[in-house]
Amino acid sequence: EVQLLESGGGLVQPGGSLRLSCAASGFTFSTSAMNWVRQGPGKGLQWISTVSASGNNTYYTDSVKGRLTISRDNSKNTVYLQMISLRAEDSAVYFCAKGWGGTFDIWGQGTVVTVSS
Amino acid sequence: QSVLTQPPSASGTPGQRVTISCSGDNSNIGTYYVSWYQQFSGTAPKLLIYRSDQRPSGVPDRVSGSRSGTSASLAISGLRSEDEGEYYCAAWDDRLSGVVFGGGTKLTVL
Repeated sequence: EVQLLESGGGLVQPGGSLRLSCAASGFTFSTSAMNWVRQGPGKGLQWISTVSASGNNTYYTDSVKGRLTISRDNSKNTVYLQMISLRAEDSAVYFCAKGWGGTFDIWGQGTVVTVSS
Repeated sequence: QSVLTQPPSASGTPGQRVTISCSGDNSNIGTYYVSWYQQFSGTAPKLLIYRSDQRPSGVPDRVSGSRSGTSASLAISGLRSEDEGEYYCAAWDDRLSGVVFGGGTKLTVL
């Protein structure tokens, strides 16, 4: 079964850190670009970051550059999102998604990140 | 404020045809393919259309997409109650070197 399973979300204080993971199964992970997309409470979808299949190329939306880092381990079929210096506006459901250039054909169920004191 | 502009809401009665627009510029829709997503109440989005007018397997042919210039449209014919949800367009943007989404359109089946 084709599946993406996110984990690592939770409650964190402003300025804190968190690492999200997304485990993939059912498709050839090592040849697939991977992404993180988030959705704040009552808000629309926001693309956050993309990592190429090899992991050599990464892309970020401006608001997270320098604070969020995407990476992947093709031996573990897992993509990560390391988040530091978290702010209240980073509170959202974080989705992992497979694809490139805005075409995301597989999505995880999401993991909730809440930044609050 | 989203880079891609969608109407916040759309509606139709069962059996009707409804269209949702997505407006951008030459750095995104004018150059790159558009994808469309359907989302129900905070669940994971589902890909409905890719490459502006292609349907993934399993998406019914009453759903269609088109692109002209710097705008794109999603059309759903034979509207059903289960089509009620939120719809988003997305495309790559050269100026931002990233993916941009529309703000979303809430579709109501009256």
